[in-house]
Amino acid sequence: GQNIDQPTEMTATEGAIVQINCTYQTSGFNGLFWYQQHAGEAPTFLSYNVLDGLEEKGRFSSFLSRSKGYSYLLLKELQMKDSASYLCAVLAGGGNKLTFGTGTQLKVEL
Amino acid sequence: DGGITQSPKYLFRKEGQNVTLSCEQNLNHDAMYWYRQDPGQGLRLIYYSQIVNDFQKGDIAEGYSVSREKKESFPLTVTSAQKNPTAFYLCASSPSRLAGLISRDTGELFFGEGSRLTVL
Repeated sequence: GQNIDQPTEMTATEGAIVQINCTYQTSGFNGLFWYQQHAGEAPTFLSYNVLDGLEEKGRFSSFLSRSKGYSYLLLKELQMKDSASYLCAVLAGGGNKLTFGTGTQLKVEL
Repeated sequence: DGGITQSPKYLFRKEGQNVTLSCEQNLNHDAMYWYRQDPGQGLRLIYYSQIVNDFQKGDIAEGYSVSREKKESFPLTVTSAQKNPTAFYLCASSPSRLAGLISRDTGELFFGEGSRLTVL
């Protein structure tokens, strides 16, 4: 099976930078996703990494190290609207099973 | 516009009743997924399907059933055997993938707006 770990909660200040970590253990790795989810809404896609390294997209960046089973999502210039749950998900196995972590609830404060 | 549609958005059920949640997509995606989300928790995979007439159990399939008779449709039935059915249910779809590495463009999972089921 797959095991995905991420912190339950984080708090950061508006305008600052925050890094949300995700570690995973899986076989047949086919990629890692980050999603943002506001309360009561469906998740929205943020990033996808399948090769090692950093992918940058505006204020958001995502990093992957396959050998370490590790990824992080970096959010810069935090805004109040970034307060949400951030979900790490791993695609693995011959059947392309996509498994989500429990999510990290980020609170952005003034 | 292309997208993925779930219905109903809200559903109430009495104990002992089966209910079916609809999920339809017009994105021509091969893969479809059903997830369950409980308050303050992440998404847990119920069932998924990579191709028509085929589907696999996820991590919490007990008490649920699905069918994939058409590419566009992947309905989920919550049966009376499901002990704790009250939850937020999310359907998702994505393009097909070849074995091995997939391209960045085909990686995205598209979600419906969700169905909130409450058992009275």
